[in-house]
Amino acid sequence: ETGVTQTPRHLVMGMTNKKSLKCEQHLGHNAMYWYKQSAKKPLELMFVYNFKEQTENNSVPSRFSPECPNSSHLFLHLHTLQPEDSALYLCASSSGRGTTDTQYFGPGTRLTVL
Amino acid sequence: AQSVTQLDSQVPVFEEAPVELRCNYSSSVSVYLFWYVQYPNQGLQLLLKYLSGSTLVKGINGFEAEFNKSQTSFHLRKPSVHISDTAEYFCAVSDLSNQGGKLIFGQGTELSVKP
Repeated sequence: ETGVTQTPRHLVMGMTNKKSLKCEQHLGHNAMYWYKQSAKKPLELMFVYNFKEQTENNSVPSRFSPECPNSSHLFLHLHTLQPEDSALYLCASSSGRGTTDTQYFGPGTRLTVL
Repeated sequence: AQSVTQLDSQVPVFEEAPVELRCNYSSSVSVYLFWYVQYPNQGLQLLLKYLSGSTLVKGINGFEAEFNKSQTSFHLRKPSVHISDTAEYFCAVSDLSNQGGKLIFGQGTELSVKP
């Protein structure tokens, strides 16, 4: 595997379910990101991890819980979601050197909350 | 606070025609600027970025963009588009005050190339 991979690619869940999204990067990067992409809206940054430490939480509701066990893996744990949480969730990684970094994106997980 | 405005939500164009996708930004400090492309059912891919130096930046797939500080713009251009350029294009900005590599994205421009 190369680049940034995300599983599953599609997920349908009820509002009472608990599920997790997984992201893995094979680029030797130190920073990882979660974004939410809704139709006709700019990408919304949710969380940033640098060297496994969370450095950004963009006022995300607590029903979204990130986990970064090491620099290569990032999870997004989901529970008691709302229908408006339906979106494409994108993971990205970068070297972690700062503002000039190129971010490399995974293909996303399409989440539907019923 | 920084912001990015992509002035066109949709741009239809015929194959082999030139195209310009417009991007304006707002920031009180020096910025770095990026264009990303998203093909259907894929993640975002970097097209090009401006960090410093020449204001004309060349990217992949024949795209280029020009940084205009006085007009706070970073428009993306291609002299002759192909059907395969059909995708969504995102402009993004980062600045020196942002140590964490945080990008602010515009709302995207859907480029539709017709035969």
